[in-house]
Parts: sequence; C-alpha cells; structure tokens
Amino acid sequence: EVQLVQSGAEVKKPGESLKISCKGSGYSFTSYWIGWVRQMPGKGLEWMGIIYPGDSDTRYSPSFQGQVTISADKSISTAYLQWSSLKASDTAMYYCARPWAALAYDSSGYLYWGQGTLVTVSS
Amino acid sequence: SYELTQPPSVSVSPGQTARITCSGDALPKQYAYWYQQKPGQAPVLVIYKDSERPSGIPERFSGSSSGTTVTLTISGVQAEDEADYYCQSADSIVVFGGGTKLTVL
Repeated sequence: EVQLVQSGAEVKKPGESLKISCKGSGYSFTSYWIGWVRQMPGKGLEWMGIIYPGDSDTRYSPSFQGQVTISADKSISTAYLQWSSLKASDTAMYYCARPWAALAYDSSGYLYWGQGTLVTVSS
Repeated sequence: SYELTQPPSVSVSPGQTARITCSGDALPKQYAYWYQQKPGQAPVLVIYKDSERPSGIPERFSGSSSGTTVTLTISGVQAEDEADYYCQSADSIVVFGGGTKLTVL
C-alpha cells in the first residue's frame, strides 16, 4: 500500500527557518516524482514544485522559485520542503503528493497524497 | 503564466446532474485531472487523463474534453458529493484551477 506520511503541525515566528518532511512507503521511492502543494486558509490548491528522488531533479513554480527549497533523501525515502525565513503569509496547509504514474513531471495527476502539514507563522 | 478557469460555485438538487467546467489554452494538448476535496481532508483524484476513473471512484463521476474546455460530470448527485472540486493540468508547469464549490441543495 502506497503511503505518504508527513511531519506534524508547526508553529513558528516570522524570520525563523523550517523544514517539513514527507516519507514515502509501499513503492519504489526513487521511481516517482513527489510534488508539494500549498493551500492557504480558505483558499484553493497551489502547485509549488516537484522533485524526482532518483536524481534530485527539481522543478519549481515561478510563484515559489527562490521562496522555498525542495529536497529529498532517497536513503530514507523522504522528501522535504524548506524555508530559510518564514513570513506570516506562509501560514497554510502543505501537502506532498505522488503522481499516479511514473511519467514526466507535468504529465500525471496526483493519486497519492500525504495527510498535510499545517504551518502557522505568527509573532 | 498559464491559468485554468473554473466557475466558483455550482448548485444542484440530489439526483440531478452536476457539470463543472475548466478552461485553459493548453487543454487540447495536455491531459486534465480532477480532484474532490472535502473540509479538513486531503484532495482525492476522481478523474485522470481527461476521462479515466481511478479504482474506487463511483461510476457517477465522469470526465470529458472538448477543445480548450474539460468537464467533470457527476450524475445522480448525492449529498456526500458536496465538496470543492479542482481541475489540474500543465503547460511546462503544473497548475490547478481556482476550484468550484459544489452545493447539493
């Protein structure tokens, strides 16, 4: 059974750094892209970027390029989303998601989703 | 930047047919995907590759494509189908539509 298990909720202050995680199991972690999706309170889904753990090839939405860093550690089947300096506007639910097929990063929808990590940034 | 346009809301009575559209210039050459999201839950893929249904998704969910518009159709809507629905596609980057709130009257 494919599972994506995300790290727990975080409460941070503006300016702090943060790294949240997404651990994959039940499939070959290095063979499928893993994407990150933001959902701000009461708003829609926003695609942030994606990584291929097999070779760490990473693509970002222009809206998030330079704002976050996506990485992966294939030795422990875990993908990460990282901020160096949080802002209040980073308050949101963040989901990791795996495509239904091992295709190009822009050629597949997301069948498997993590449970989400709620990040709250407040002074 | 590439955009997918959905109506903000659609309302139907139980048993009727709900149609949710999604428009985008790249849809003739890229597949579309549809997700259902209920409050407090992660999205669920209900349609992939324009019209395919993942295992476990009820047959009342179907998808179609015509030119720059794709449509999610829910036949015989049930109260449990009340949710937000998002389309997704790509044109060098992946994008989601703004979402449509389906209300079952």
